[in-house]
Amino acid sequence: DAGVIQSPRHEVTEMGQEVTLRCKPISGHNSLFWYRQTMMRGLELLIYFNNNVPIDDSGMPEDRFSAKMPNASFSTLKIQPSEPRDSAVYFCASGRQYQETQYFGPGTRLLVL
Amino acid sequence: QKEVEQNSGPLSVPEGAIASLNCTYSDRGSQSFFWYRQYSGKSPELIMFIYSNGDKEDGRFTAQLNKASQYVSLLIRDSQPSDSATYLCAVWNGGFKTIFGAGTRLFVKA
Repeated sequence: DAGVIQSPRHEVTEMGQEVTLRCKPISGHNSLFWYRQTMMRGLELLIYFNNNVPIDDSGMPEDRFSAKMPNASFSTLKIQPSEPRDSAVYFCASGRQYQETQYFGPGTRLLVL
Repeated sequence: QKEVEQNSGPLSVPEGAIASLNCTYSDRGSQSFFWYRQYSGKSPELIMFIYSNGDKEDGRFTAQLNKASQYVSLLIRDSQPSDSATYLCAVWNGGFKTIFGAGTRLFVKA
């Protein structure tokens, strides 16, 4: 199995630009999670999808963040406009059920200048 | 009070020793407990999970759960320098979220 795939692996952008992060979950998994990790705040859950439907987006920091999952094999996390404080590593994870083991992708390292 | 608390460390142990990592959680309804290992610059990976009170062993790793005390721990026997990483405790409380602790940094000295 290929594991969770994320792209891009690194992104450097300027403040105000739109950033789109992409995730392909493991085939057969019906839960998908977007996390953000920083030294100061640790691993934060941003949003969780089950069967392509957003279940809990209470962790999305503000309206500048949006996430979609148009089908079982693809999800995006968009930041528009981006700000320097959005700089972090963004992980996508998938699992069979929300209470079970989560398999993390390699992450996208985002730097907003 | 944080939902899942861990000592940030670093915890430093000599090679061959037992490393003991601890985690407490606030929700008594929590049902599943996970330990993830994260090497610097890498993504978290599952080491063990435990659902029932008591001990669960897997190779050099033992997870211990005490629901009455709301406490879960991870013991690493015969610690190796390759075990040096951040260990994340995660707790599922029966809802739609698994809550991660901030992690404990472990350093195993050769």
